[in-house]
Amino acid sequence: QKEVEQDPGPLSVPEGAIVSLNCTYSNSAFQYFMWYRQYSRKGPELLMYTYSSGNKEDGRFTAQVDKSSKYISLFIRDSQPSDSATYLCATVPGRSYNTDKLIFGTGTRLQVFP
Amino acid sequence: ETGVTQTPRHLVMGMTNKKSLKCEQHLGHNAMYWYKQSAKKPLELMFVYNFKEQTENNSVPSRFSPECPNSSHLFLHLHTLQPEDSALYLCASSPPSSNQPQHFGDGTRLSIL
Repeated sequence: QKEVEQDPGPLSVPEGAIVSLNCTYSNSAFQYFMWYRQYSRKGPELLMYTYSSGNKEDGRFTAQVDKSSKYISLFIRDSQPSDSATYLCATVPGRSYNTDKLIFGTGTRLQVFP
Repeated sequence: ETGVTQTPRHLVMGMTNKKSLKCEQHLGHNAMYWYKQSAKKPLELMFVYNFKEQTENNSVPSRFSPECPNSSHLFLHLHTLQPEDSALYLCASSPPSSNQPQHFGDGTRLSIL
């Protein structure tokens, strides 16, 4: 079983839609979770990170962690064509926030059409 | 401008060639990383350097040889690669404190003929 599972997509939505991107993870000890965005021909850039359960909001983006089901989500409100990218979830193995050893999902490719 | 610069952006090489990938960071970070990104696979951590010392080698074949002469520069020397080594190779860096996020370069797209 992979430590982090993510549907590769592609996910295609119209502009203005609410987008839900999801990952599941296998180890209940994981506590830190991150979302990276990767545009075509670019490296990943950190969007948000969260600790343990709960929600974190930043503008149109909301990251959510449900530790009981080992499920993490990224919601994008009022999606824009500029949000078209691959979204990677990542976690830190273990209980300390040591980002030397990130575990990534495969990434979900999102396309927002006008 | 990402602060982490990788060259070349694209590289095509034969299996018997020797080439090097270069990474340079202008962020004052002390940790640097090499990742491999293949289609439909998660990013794979290859090597980690902290203060120029290698602290992680994730069972990478010896045909990949990293070098970190100082905290701002990282190289990946390649020789006798295989077709399955074709991928995007990403460099990242992070500040001295281990609880800070990594900043990525835009990668080198490597194709092995």
